[in-house]
Amino acid sequence: QVQLVESGGGVVQPGGSLRLSCAASGFMFNSYGMHWVRQAPGKGLEWVAFIRYDGLDKYYADSVRGRFIISRDNSQNTLYLQMNSLRAEDAAVYYCAKNEAMIARAYFHYWGQGTLVTVSS
Amino acid sequence: QSVLTQPPSVSGAPGQGVTISCTGSSSNIGAGYDVHWYQQLPGTAPKLLIYAKTNRPSGVPDRFSGSKSGASASLAITGLQAEDEADYYCQSYDNSLSSWVFGGGTKLTVL
Repeated sequence: QVQLVESGGGVVQPGGSLRLSCAASGFMFNSYGMHWVRQAPGKGLEWVAFIRYDGLDKYYADSVRGRFIISRDNSQNTLYLQMNSLRAEDAAVYYCAKNEAMIARAYFHYWGQGTLVTVSS
Repeated sequence: QSVLTQPPSVSGAPGQGVTISCTGSSSNIGAGYDVHWYQQLPGTAPKLLIYAKTNRPSGVPDRFSGSKSGASASLAITGLQAEDEADYYCQSYDNSLSSWVFGGGTKLTVL
């Protein structure tokens, strides 16, 4: 069965950096695009970033473009999110999610359990 | 403020039905992009409930159904059960933002 396990969350100061990981299993990782989606405490879901199955196309939400970098290692079945210049408003649970369908029809088929990022001095 | 608009809350008694609306615009649902729905039980990750407007992943009861008309979509839940109490989110794609977008979420309370 599909499993997505995030790690790397923690407490970081404003302006700091953090790298999240998402270990995937139970499906052909190198055949699927992957997303990061976040949820601030008590708030709704916000899409963050997407990477194509081969890593050659990447898309970002305006709120993180230029600060966050999505990447993947298909040999390790792992998705990453490098988060730089962190702000208080980046504090959230970050979920990785397996993409299904083409861009305009895409949805988030499976989700990990999430990893909590806290931005505080 | 979310690109897709949902009511903050809905409620219903066990056995009854409820409908959750999701209103978009000409750059997302109205442009013909698919609408998908997710259920988030308290303290857990979201789970896919309905995809491509009307389809249910295996394991999702047929008490849940989706529909779409113009720039809006709806999630209908019939025969409410206590375990349906959760937050529900709609999701689509927006071509003016070039990004995937969510509704603000609707909290379903089973009375």
